[in-house]
Amino acid sequence: AQTVTQSQPEMSVQEAETVTLSCTYDTSENNYYLFWYKQPPSRQMILVIRQEAYKQQNATENRFSVNFQKAAKSFSLKISDSQLGDTAMYFCAFMKHVTSNTGKLIFGQGTTLQVKP
Amino acid sequence: DAGITQSPRHKVTETGTPVTLRCHQTENHRYMYWYRQDPGHGLRLIHYSYGVKDTDKGEVSDGYSVSRSKTEDFLLTLESATSSQTSVYFCAISTQGGNTEAFFGQGTRLTVV
Repeated sequence: AQTVTQSQPEMSVQEAETVTLSCTYDTSENNYYLFWYKQPPSRQMILVIRQEAYKQQNATENRFSVNFQKAAKSFSLKISDSQLGDTAMYFCAFMKHVTSNTGKLIFGQGTTLQVKP
Repeated sequence: DAGITQSPRHKVTETGTPVTLRCHQTENHRYMYWYRQDPGHGLRLIHYSYGVKDTDKGEVSDGYSVSRSKTEDFLLTLESATSSQTSVYFCAISTQGGNTEAFFGQGTRLTVV
């Protein structure tokens, strides 16, 4: 069975600074996807970034980037130039990538990030 | 925004009563999912559907049933609500399992008193 662990329940960062959220996972699969979702106070789940395990290059989306270490089973999210609107709960998630994949997501516990002015 | 609507958005119910949550999509996506969100647990899969009348259990399915009689609707039923089912429930949809982004509804906050 796959598990996803986020060991930082809460974090804070000053506006305009950089912060890194940690995520580790456990799986025996070789092909899979990893995701970071953002959940602001509105409760909406928003996809921030996605990484395919077979791609060695780390994914980036504007101010958001990941450090994907497949051998270490680590998938951290770096937010550069933090903005007040980045205040949210962030979830790391895992999905198997197989022919009969049903798209089921396995989530970590979440990290609450507060960006301070 | 993906066309996915959950109803109701908030509900308070008494222990022992049946409750049905509805998820409606306008995207004609094949896969639909119900997750629950609890502090310290993130989101956990309750049930999912891979087509009309095709459903399967997730990680935390005890006490829940689902039905999908039409592509666009996926219902989650708590047969006899308990306080441990107080949670925020999310519906999600995706086109193909794993090959695309999953889109989430706005969530339903359910309180069982």
